Amino acid sequence: KAGVTQTPRYLIKTRGQQVTLSCSPISGHRSVSWYQQTPGQGLQFLFEYFSETQRNKGNFPGRFSGRQFSNSRSEMNVSTLELGDSALYLCASSLGLSSGNTIYFGEGSWLTVV
Amino acid sequence: GIQVEQSPPDLILQEGANSTLRCNFSDSVNNLQWFHQNPWGQLINLFYIPSGTKQNGRLSATTVATERYSLLYISSSQTTDSGVYFCAVEVWDNQGGKLIFGQGTELSVKP
Repeated sequence: KAGVTQTPRYLIKTRGQQVTLSCSPISGHRSVSWYQQTPGQGLQFLFEYFSETQRNKGNFPGRFSGRQFSNSRSEMNVSTLELGDSALYLCASSLGLSSGNTIYFGEGSWLTVV
Repeated sequence: GIQVEQSPPDLILQEGANSTLRCNFSDSVNNLQWFHQNPWGQLINLFYIPSGTKQNGRLSATTVATERYSLLYISSSQTTDSGVYFCAVEVWDNQGGKLIFGQGTELSVKP
């Protein structure tokens, strides 16, 4: 079956702009979570969605937002981009709800803010 | 919050050598997973191991939850094993679950 698909894979944005990243989970998976990876901070949890509801949110400013659609696809948006937002953004999907489900990651979206 | 520490931060091996990567965590967790990040950035799930020992080919992992550590063993390493290895603990509360990652061990296997 198809894996987790993230688009776009690479993008360059200018400070102050906004960006939207997309994630299509594995078919049947209802939980989608997002992580930011930077050289300085490592991998950090952004938020998790299950059945179109945000269940959990990491310690990021309100410029970072997301949503999940009825088909479980998810988007995350970053507004008023800052240089420090340059990172690899990873999406993960799982069956969700209970612990014990394997988590699968996409290849990520590489965002560069100039 | 929970702290996850991995050691060593970097490791250079000759092809064919064995290695042990360690992951310590500061509190009880629901679960623990090991990932390998390939050169393209994708995290590949290696083991889902809350406790005990699992093996998959040349890789095996052991988690001793009561002592709050996990070990990843790589035997007869190959150049394709190069990359960054992360352990992540799964934390759940009434808001849902999330993974807390260690800083990773960067492995380089030389031919």
